[in-house]
Amino acid sequence: DAGVIQSPRHEVTEMGQEVTLRCKPISGHDYLFWYRQTMMRGLELLIYFNNNVPIDDSGMPEDRFSAKMPNASFSTLKIQPSEPRDSAVYFCASSTGLGLNEQFFGPGTRLTVL
Amino acid sequence: AQTVTQSQPEMSVQEAETVTLSCTYDTSESDYYLFWYKQPPSRQMILVIRQEAYKQQNATENRFSVNFQKAAKSFSLKISDSQLGDAAMYFCAYRGGADGLTFGKGTHLIIQP
Repeated sequence: DAGVIQSPRHEVTEMGQEVTLRCKPISGHDYLFWYRQTMMRGLELLIYFNNNVPIDDSGMPEDRFSAKMPNASFSTLKIQPSEPRDSAVYFCASSTGLGLNEQFFGPGTRLTVL
Repeated sequence: AQTVTQSQPEMSVQEAETVTLSCTYDTSESDYYLFWYKQPPSRQMILVIRQEAYKQQNATENRFSVNFQKAAKSFSLKISDSQLGDAAMYFCAYRGGADGLTFGKGTHLIIQP
């Protein structure tokens, strides 16, 4: 089992540019989550999907952020246009359910917006 | 909204000793789930232990155990026989019925050799 795969691992971009982060969940997992980690705000849930359908996007900070899950094995988180305050580590996680089910996290993407 | 509070930004313990990390949470729900995750410098998030709110018995995983006090809304993590590999950030997390995880701000655990 390869675990949750995220790409790229590091991204450096300039303010105003579009950024796309990618995630491949563990095969068979029907829940996918996007989190953001910063020193100031800690780990925050941005959005989660169930069977490719967005269920809760209340954590998405603003319209510049969008997430999609076109199929069970791929999700993207897009920021357009990017701003320096978007600099953070973005984690993708997947699980087979909610409740007590373990969320398996990817290695994260460190985004730096200059 | 649920909140999770970890009041200890940093803790230090001697190798082989026992340390307890604190976590409190605020919720109006009666059924929920609690987790402790470990994040070493590699930044990988690793599940340490988990507990269902309606189970009275405290969860245990080898050297890791919790003290769950539902009335006090407290979920502390005890690490026995601390090892150098336990050094990491530890995050307490809460989940309601149909939610993602709500995390505390974390406790940085230092193991003194």
